[in-house]
Amino acid sequence: AQRVTQPEKLLSVFKGAPVELKCNYSYSGSPELFWYVQYSRQRLQLLLRHISRESIKGFTADLNKGETSFHLKKPFAQEEDSAMYYCALSGSNYQLIWGAGTKLIIKP
Amino acid sequence: NAGVMQNPRHLVRRRGQEARLRCSPMKGHSHVYWYRQLPEEGLKFMVYLQKENIIDESGMPKERFSAEFPKEGPSILRIQQVVRGDSAAYFCASSGTGTGGIQYFGAGTRLSVL
Repeated sequence: AQRVTQPEKLLSVFKGAPVELKCNYSYSGSPELFWYVQYSRQRLQLLLRHISRESIKGFTADLNKGETSFHLKKPFAQEEDSAMYYCALSGSNYQLIWGAGTKLIIKP
Repeated sequence: NAGVMQNPRHLVRRRGQEARLRCSPMKGHSHVYWYRQLPEEGLKFMVYLQKENIIDESGMPKERFSAEFPKEGPSILRIQQVVRGDSAAYFCASSGTGTGGIQYFGAGTRLSVL
């Protein structure tokens, strides 16, 4: 079955501390994975996708096929990183399979 | 390109009334997705449509909810006989054959049922 799991509903870290938001997936095939972010009172927007291998706003995510993971990381958290983060997998037929989301709170 | 447009941004209905939510996809996009987000909850998939076709409605309640994406005009999510539990933010997203699976989101419609 195709599934995306974000085990943490809420993650709270201090400003300047490292951040890791976990995402595990189940997919029979070559997955394409995404991280989306929703800042307070804003629309959901794409943060990064694994095939582009970019670093956006200091965040990176590496696809680990052995562990079927796509964790989102940032070495030094900033207060403006506080948001809701969703991991998603591109399945067949143009649909995205979504994780439940992790609310990230950065404490000053 | 104006992006995905949703209206209204806020909609207030009394129990038993109908709610109509509209979504205009980005120019050139032929795939539309509707999601619901309950307060303090994550995003929940409702329905996926292409022009004049419902591709996947597995996330949509069987009763009172319907969606369409006509050949001309916006996609419509209709909720009949609304109840308090329908109060939520409803997001629409669109994608096209050239977007590599990326979905672009509207700002959402916040439905409040009194």
